[in-house]
Amino acid sequence: AQKVTQAQTEISVVEKEDVTLDCVYETRDTTYYLFWYKQPPSGELVFLIRRNSFDEQNEISGRYSWNFQKSTSSFNFTITASQVVDSAVYFCALSEAKGGFKTIFGAGTRLFVKA
Amino acid sequence: DTGVSQDPRHKITKRGQNVTFRCDPISEHNRLYWYRQTLGQGPEFLTYFQNEAQLEKSRLLSDRFSAERPKGSFSTLEIQRTEQGDSAMYLCASSPSAGASGELFFGEGSRLTVL
Repeated sequence: AQKVTQAQTEISVVEKEDVTLDCVYETRDTTYYLFWYKQPPSGELVFLIRRNSFDEQNEISGRYSWNFQKSTSSFNFTITASQVVDSAVYFCALSEAKGGFKTIFGAGTRLFVKA
Repeated sequence: DTGVSQDPRHKITKRGQNVTFRCDPISEHNRLYWYRQTLGQGPEFLTYFQNEAQLEKSRLLSDRFSAERPKGSFSTLEIQRTEQGDSAMYLCASSPSAGASGELFFGEGSRLTVL
C-alpha cells in the first residue's frame, strides 16, 4: 500500500536560512513517482518537483534541491536561502504504477519564514 | 487556458441537504481527481477518472458520495444527506498524463460548511 509520512508538522526559520523538509514513503512497487507540492496561504496547491523511481540523481533547481534515497525510502526537499514568500504548507506525494498512478499526499509540513 | 476551475467556491448548507460541486479541468487533460482536505491535513484521495471512466473510489467515499465525468470533460461530485463531518475543502485536480504519472494541476477548491 502507498503511504507518505511527513514527520515535521511545523518548521520555523529566519529568512536566508536553509531548510530541509523530510519525507518518507512506503510502496511495494518498483515504478513510482515522488512529488513536492506547495500550498501558500491563498490555498491553491502548486506543483514544485517530480522524481521517478529509476532516477536517484539529486538535482538543484534554483533555490530548490532534493535528495532521493531509495535505500531509506526518503525524498527530502531543501530550500536554500529561504524567503518570506516561501512560507506555506509543503506536501510530499507519491504515485505508483500498481495503484494506477493515483497520487496520495502526506499530511504536510507548515513552513514559517520570518523576516 | 484558464486552469482548473471549481464551482461553487463556498457552500454553506444544512445537515441533510444535498450538494453538488463542479470541476472544469484544463482542456484535454485525461485525468481528473477529487480530493478532500480538512484543516491541517493533506489532501485525501477520493476518486479519479481517466477520460469518462471512474478508475477508483476511496473507501472514504461513502454511498452518499457520487462522482461523474460525462463525456470525459467536466466532473461533478455530489454529496447526499450531508453530515457535519462532510465539512471540508473539496479539491479538484487534472493531469495531462494518461497512464504515466504527471503533475497535478489543482483548482482553488470548493469549501463546504455543513451546519
